[in-house]
Amino acid sequence: GEDVEQSLFLSVREGDSSVINCTYTDSSSTYLYWYKQEPGAGLQLLTYIFSNMDMKQDQRLTVLLNKKDKHLSLRIADTQTGDSAIYFCAEKDGDKIIFGKGTRLHILP
Amino acid sequence: GAGVSQSPSNKVTEKGKDVELRCDPISGHTALYWYRQSLGQGLEFLIYFQGNSAPDKSGLPSDRFSAERTGGSVSTLTIQRTQQEDSAVYLCASSLSMAVIGVDNEQFFGPGTRLTVL
Repeated sequence: GEDVEQSLFLSVREGDSSVINCTYTDSSSTYLYWYKQEPGAGLQLLTYIFSNMDMKQDQRLTVLLNKKDKHLSLRIADTQTGDSAIYFCAEKDGDKIIFGKGTRLHILP
Repeated sequence: GAGVSQSPSNKVTEKGKDVELRCDPISGHTALYWYRQSLGQGLEFLIYFQGNSAPDKSGLPSDRFSAERTGGSVSTLTIQRTQQEDSAVYLCASSLSMAVIGVDNEQFFGPGTRLTVL
């Protein structure tokens, strides 16, 4: 079946950039997503990228897509304490969205 | 509020009992999804409903799990004869449609129901 993989933990100092990486297996995915889950809350869509794009930038967020390697990354510039959350990578698989296990981003003072 | 709501927020039950979890999607959203979030297991797709079409049940882990969506709105996830491995947070999400356009695919998540089976 389709699979989305990402590392489970990332620690970053406040003010530095965070880069969260993800790999997926379905080469026919049309959309790839990044969701954010803050403690005690549901998932919230951060951004998405269409598969024919290489990069998408939205304020502090930059999404890079390497379709050849099936690699997706999310860069958060100037990481703040409010960015502390679990970040889920996801791919569109037909009518479903397949999620990775999530990367817990920990901000160091 | 206008978001997805779920009830109860917490449920503690004894092994072998049945439980029902409820989801109220955003009004007008035709697609509704159930996920399970277990410790260390990430987010696991269970089932989704799209309009009046037959639901995609491919993610249900066993025949003890079932879900209904009445009138195209509220959904109930039922777990019969609960087991300890069913302990998890059950998340519901809804989206405007299953259209190809990415924005219409955006799933809005509820806060989840934390189920603990003793």
